[in-house]
Formats: sequence, C-alpha cells, structure tokens
Amino acid sequence: AQTVTQSQPEMSVQEAETVTLSCTYDTSENNYYLFWYKQPPSRQMILVIRQEAYKQQNATENRFSVNFQKAAKSFSLKISDSQLGDTAMYFCAFMKSEGAQKLVFGQGTRLTINP
Amino acid sequence: GAGVSQTPSNKVTEKGKYVELRCDPISGHTALYWYRQSLGQGPEFLIYFQGTGAADDSGLPNDRFFAVRPEGSVSTLKIQRTERGDSAVYLCASSLSFAGELFFGEGSRLTVL
Repeated sequence: AQTVTQSQPEMSVQEAETVTLSCTYDTSENNYYLFWYKQPPSRQMILVIRQEAYKQQNATENRFSVNFQKAAKSFSLKISDSQLGDTAMYFCAFMKSEGAQKLVFGQGTRLTINP
Repeated sequence: GAGVSQTPSNKVTEKGKYVELRCDPISGHTALYWYRQSLGQGPEFLIYFQGTGAADDSGLPNDRFFAVRPEGSVSTLKIQRTERGDSAVYLCASSLSFAGELFFGEGSRLTVL
C-alpha cells in the first residue's frame, strides 16, 4: 500500500517570501502521479500542481513549482512571492497510473501567509 | 452545472439515525468519487463510480455505508445507523474521463451527536 507523509503540520511566512512544503511517499510502483492540493476554509480541494513520475523535469505553474526526487521519494512544493490568498491547508497526494483514480493523501500542512 | 455541488452543506444527526448525502457532478463527467475527511486528516477514498456502476468500493468502511448513482449523474452516499465516529466531511469529486483531472465539491460536514 502507498503512504504519503507530510512532516510539517503548520508553517507561517511573511507575504512575498518563498516557502517550501515537504512531502515524502512510499510505493513500489514505478509509474504514478503526484499532486499538491490546496484546501481553503471553503473545504473545496483545488489542484495546485501535478507531476508525472516518468518525467524528470519538475512541474511549474506560475508561482508554484515542485522538487521531485524519485529515488528519494520526495516531492516538495515551493511557493514563490507568497500572497495572502495562499493561506490554506495544503495536501500532497499520490495516485497510481493504472487502475481507478484513487488519491492517497498526506495529513496536510496548514500554511499561513502573514501581511 | 458550473461545479460539483454537494448537499447538505452541514448535517447534524443523532447516533443511530439514517443519513443521505447528495453529490451533483459537473455535467458530462462520467467518473465520480467519494472521499471522507476526518478532522485534522487528509481525505480518504471511499468509492468510485464509472457511469452507473461502482467500479471500486474498497474504501467503504463497513456495510453501514452504501452509495448509488442510478442514472450515471447524481450520486447519493447513504449511511445507516450512524455512529459518532462517522463525523467527518464527505467530499465528492468528478472527472470527465477515467484519467481526467478531479474536480471537488465543497463537501458535506456530518456531525453525529
């Protein structure tokens, strides 16, 4: 079975700073997907960024980028120029590339951006 | 609809009662998922529908939980003889196809007293 671990329950930074959220996972699969989701107080899970394990290049979406280290099974999220609207819970998630799209989530990191 | 709609937004019930939670996916999305998110945890998979059939129900915790999607659109999650441990946010998601991006609703928060 796959597991996802987020070791930082809470983080807090000042607006405009850069912050990195950590995630490690455990799997015996070779092909899979990794995700970062944002969950604001509205409870809706919003996809931030997605990485295919077969791609060596790290995914980037505007201010959001990942550092994917397949051998180390590490998948961190970097948020540059953080904004007040980035305040939310962030979840790292794993999904096998075959079979049903069953996401396995970590425990989450509560990120607060201070003005 | 514009997004995944879930009702009710909040539900308070007493131990032993029956509860139904409804999910209205994005129009045209064939795949539908239910997840359960307990306080302070990440969501956990419950069940996945492809069309009208449950393709994978391995996450349902016990036989008190059941879900249907009779016409391949709206889905209802049914919980019998609710227990306090069932208290959680129940999230629904849909996707256009088997490998498509998942779009989540805002969840139904269930509180069992």
